[in-house]
Amino acid sequence: GAVVSQHPSRVICKSGTSVKIECRSLDFQATTMFWYRQFPKQSLMLMATSNEGSKATYEQGVEKDKFLINHASLTLSTLTVTSAHPEDSSFYICSASFPAGKVYEQYFGPGTRLTVT
Amino acid sequence: AQKITQTQPGMFVQEKEAVTLDCTYDTSDPSYGLFWYKQPSSGEMIFLIYQGSYDQQNATEGRYSLNFQKARKSANLVISASQLGDSAMYFCAMREGWNGGSQGNLIFGKGTKLSVKP
Repeated sequence: GAVVSQHPSRVICKSGTSVKIECRSLDFQATTMFWYRQFPKQSLMLMATSNEGSKATYEQGVEKDKFLINHASLTLSTLTVTSAHPEDSSFYICSASFPAGKVYEQYFGPGTRLTVT
Repeated sequence: AQKITQTQPGMFVQEKEAVTLDCTYDTSDPSYGLFWYKQPSSGEMIFLIYQGSYDQQNATEGRYSLNFQKARKSANLVISASQLGDSAMYFCAMREGWNGGSQGNLIFGKGTKLSVKP
């Protein structure tokens, strides 16, 4: 089946630094990718929709300047957390839609656990 | 208002027994899709089953079946013959439009933690 990878799987960074997370669709082209955030024991909350070749669409309450999204190619989207703070510590998951039969299935990456100290 | 409601924060089931995880949804769009995902402790989201709002029959995938009651706006997941490996978080999700088959984003419920007892 379709596979989505994320890198890194875990990252620890100091407050004030920036962190880049990569999301790749390994065997299919994804014109649309999604970035979710999940706090411990909570649900996935959509942060933004990443469209190849155009600006990302952010959900209400998500700071565009803090969470920079770049979808430079059909197989790669990146999320950069700029000037990270401890409250940005979370589990970040990307997903990509892939047509499978009658429906676009959404394949998820394995997630990136970010800890900001 | 919440679009996806999962009222069971945690559930226990004995190995080899069946279990039903509840999910109700709210949408004014006549065309939508409902999905169930499993998230083990590793964090990956595993797709289990899909039901389109226009689908006539309830979806089934192996040991998973979806009890779709459109008038009640419920889409409960039934897992038959539970296995120890079924212990995980289970999320119900909805995608509006196109019978749920579009490229749009998923809206998730808060999840149910299922624990299977030996």
